[in-house]
Amino acid sequence: DTAVSQTPKYLVTQMGNDKSIKCEQNLGHDTMYWYKQDSKKFLKIMFSYNNKELIINETVPNRFSPKSPDKAHLNLHINSLELGDSAVYFCASSQGGVGSGHNEQFFGPGTRLTVL
Amino acid sequence: SQQGEEDPQALSIQEGENATMNCSYKTSINNLQWYRQNSGRGLVHLILIRSNEREKHSGRLRVTLDTSKKSSSLLITASRAADTASYFCATVNAGNMLTFGGGTRLMVKP
Repeated sequence: DTAVSQTPKYLVTQMGNDKSIKCEQNLGHDTMYWYKQDSKKFLKIMFSYNNKELIINETVPNRFSPKSPDKAHLNLHINSLELGDSAVYFCASSQGGVGSGHNEQFFGPGTRLTVL
Repeated sequence: SQQGEEDPQALSIQEGENATMNCSYKTSINNLQWYRQNSGRGLVHLILIRSNEREKHSGRLRVTLDTSKKSSSLLITASRAADTASYFCATVNAGNMLTFGGGTRLMVKP
């Protein structure tokens, strides 16, 4: 079974739309993350979250918001999509508390978002 | 700017040769991690080295860490075509967040 899964794998949408990307992990991890990888392959942390604390990268626009219905899920909502939001978005999880970079992270397969 | 910077950005070698990738960073770290990303896939954790460690091995992988120079290297010995991928270093700073470098794209020719 896939440890960290994301849906959809591809998402093509128009500017101005609102969209969501879903993420689920079956590893029993405490913390989940969202990353953005741009066309030059740079990976940037967007959010780090568990049921106690959310850490937001200050460079992330407030059009982006994580929502966690339970410990195994962290969905990414994006409002008023812009051209610059086109990228691959990766979900990840790890054991330990928020920002627990002390432990390895397990990544999902990514969602390629294209904004037209 | 990226906390970690990999060098070289791209590396092409023949199967059987060794591949060395370097990573430099700017601030104090708790640990440094290396990840591999195959084309179109998510990242896979390879190895973690703590700030009080100098060298670590895992199979054909050897990682060194020099905190005085703020640098790390990843050596892949006896490379295989299946090692073709992008390799990223990631540092963990005081905020306990992973910050990735730009990656090294390794191509191993059969």
